[in-house]
Amino acid sequence: NAGVTQTPKFQVLKTGQSMTLQCAQDMNHEYMSWYRQDPGMGLRLIHYSVGAGITDQGEVPNGYNVSRSTTEDFPLRLLSAAPSQTSVYFCATSNRASHGYTFGSGTRLTVV
Amino acid sequence: AQKITQTQPGMFVQEKEAVTLDCTYDTSDPSYGLFWYKQPSSGEMIFLIYQGSYDQQNATEGRYSLNFQKARKSANLVISASQLGDSAMYFCAMRDSGTYKYIFGTGTRLKVLA
Repeated sequence: NAGVTQTPKFQVLKTGQSMTLQCAQDMNHEYMSWYRQDPGMGLRLIHYSVGAGITDQGEVPNGYNVSRSTTEDFPLRLLSAAPSQTSVYFCATSNRASHGYTFGSGTRLTVV
Repeated sequence: AQKITQTQPGMFVQEKEAVTLDCTYDTSDPSYGLFWYKQPSSGEMIFLIYQGSYDQQNATEGRYSLNFQKARKSANLVISASQLGDSAMYFCAMRDSGTYKYIFGTGTRLKVLA
């Protein structure tokens, strides 16, 4: 079972470039979310979705877009990368019955 | 607003001893879930233990137990018989019952000494 698959694992961007971080899950979880992890700040919620066609903002949504056209996929788009977006990004999923997130392996993004 | 606080940035414990990692939370919802995750140096996030707000008993999972004190709004993680492999970052988290949003604390880095 694949679980939650994040791609790419590493990425270097130049300031102003755009890119999409991919997240795919095969567990039929209705809830999907994106977090960024920065030293000393824990994990902060960027955007989340409670089902296909439904998305909402988290704590730090500025500079990021999401869409949820299918249950399986929840891509995160960086519109115009900035050095402040250098971070490790995690996709996480769950459903009503699960007592915890299933996390992807993370994407380490560096913006220069 | 919901909030999770972990006040110990770093902890040391001797191998085979027990250690308590502190977590306090704040919420106005009567129904919520509390979680602990482990992040080893490899970076993956590993779910350890869950406590529901209506659970009467403290949760236990092997060497992990959650000391849940609802009136004090604390959900401390107790690791018994520490092992070298327990050295990692530990995060406390809370799930909102309505939106299924999770919020995380800033983490505690645990180092187990041989």
